[in-house]
Amino acid sequence: QVQLQESGPGLVKPSETLSLTCTVSGGSISDYYWNWIRQSPGKGLEWIGYISHRETTKLNSSLKSRVTMSVDTSKNQLSLSLTSLTAADTAIYYCATTSWSLDAFHIWGQGTMVTVSS
Amino acid sequence: EVGMTQSPATLSVSPGERATLSCRASQSVSRNLAWYQQKPGQAPRLLIYAASTRGATIPDRFSGSGSGTDFTLTINSLQSEDSAVYYCQQYNNWPPAFGPGTKLDIK
Repeated sequence: QVQLQESGPGLVKPSETLSLTCTVSGGSISDYYWNWIRQSPGKGLEWIGYISHRETTKLNSSLKSRVTMSVDTSKNQLSLSLTSLTAADTAIYYCATTSWSLDAFHIWGQGTMVTVSS
Repeated sequence: EVGMTQSPATLSVSPGERATLSCRASQSVSRNLAWYQQKPGQAPRLLIYAASTRGATIPDRFSGSGSGTDFTLTINSLQSEDSAVYYCQQYNNWPPAFGPGTKLDIK
């Protein structure tokens, strides 16, 4: 069974860039599409975007200008970068799998909390 | 974008009884609708996809129905462990979108 583990800095300052990693175990990067989703009290669950093992991406238009995703198949890791942070980006960030580009999210990581504050 | 709404916002039901949760999409999503369960401090867990197909290891007390714009999650023989927030999510149109959730309390 595939397992996902997110990791990140926990606390970042406004205007800075957030970098998160999702480590995949028990499966191959090529088996799924890899999504990032965040959850905040104000906006609920929000899909950020996905990346495939071929590095095809699709991003939510609300965040597209600030988001970069990448995949490192040698390390079985995914990465998310979010620039120009504000307090509104404070959330729990999850990685999750789909079997194709538009699908239910079958497997989730435990999430990593990110607080944007000076 | 497809907007998702859920009702009620909070539901309190006794153990052993049945809970019925509703989800509505602002336009047809066919049967491309999923339900998730989230307990405090945990990630959401997939319960139902394709409107009525149970996820792996999900007990048959959980069932989903509906198509188009109106969907229902039914939980029979409620147990204390079913206390959680339940979310619906459409994956028929970009971007995939979640409802605001229904909090289920087992009283």
